[in-house]
Amino acid sequence: EDKVVQSPLSLVVHEGDTVTLNCSYEVTNFRSLLWYKQEKKAPTFLFMLTSSGIEKKSGRLSSILDKKELFSILNITATQTGDSAVYLCAVEDAGGTSYGKLTFGQGTILTVHP
Amino acid sequence: NAGVMQNPRHLVRRRGQEARLRCSPMKGHSHVYWYRQLPEEGLKFMVYLQKENIIDESGMPKERFSAEFPKEGPSILRIQQVVRGDSAAYFCASSPSMGGGSPLHFGNGTRLTVT
Repeated sequence: EDKVVQSPLSLVVHEGDTVTLNCSYEVTNFRSLLWYKQEKKAPTFLFMLTSSGIEKKSGRLSSILDKKELFSILNITATQTGDSAVYLCAVEDAGGTSYGKLTFGQGTILTVHP
Repeated sequence: NAGVMQNPRHLVRRRGQEARLRCSPMKGHSHVYWYRQLPEEGLKFMVYLQKENIIDESGMPKERFSAEFPKEGPSILRIQQVVRGDSAAYFCASSPSMGGGSPLHFGNGTRLTVT
């Protein structure tokens, strides 16, 4: 059974701090790893990672995947109060009819204080 | 460019009633996925459908739950004889094709409360 574990479960920082969120996974047939941001509504897509060692970047957010060690990190630099959310990590299994079937971690609750 | 549309946003049902949750995928998307988020838990896959076909329902409880995606109209997740444990947020997601490498885009969810 596929499994995703995120750490820490919660994190409280002040504006301007840099944070690193961790995601480790076990999956039978790896297809991709995805990061989402959830602010009380729909999870909003951030990154999809398929290749090891290649950093994806969008503004102050970046993410990298290590397929050998089975983990990914999400970095947020110069945090702002608007970054406060639950960050979800998910893996997609490539086997059979499982396209789009994601296994999610429990999420990291990030709180950014002004 | 409308995203994934779910309705209702909030649904209150008494124990034993039926709940019907609707999902209209993004324009051009023919693949629909339903996920459930229980309080204090992560999202859990329930079912994957294409038009008129259930592809994978391995995450769906065997009893009381059913899903469909007809040729015309939205996808429907139906829960019969609801119990308090069904209280959760139900999210729908869509993608344009199977295996296309596109990330799932989620709707805003339906929050079901069973009293």
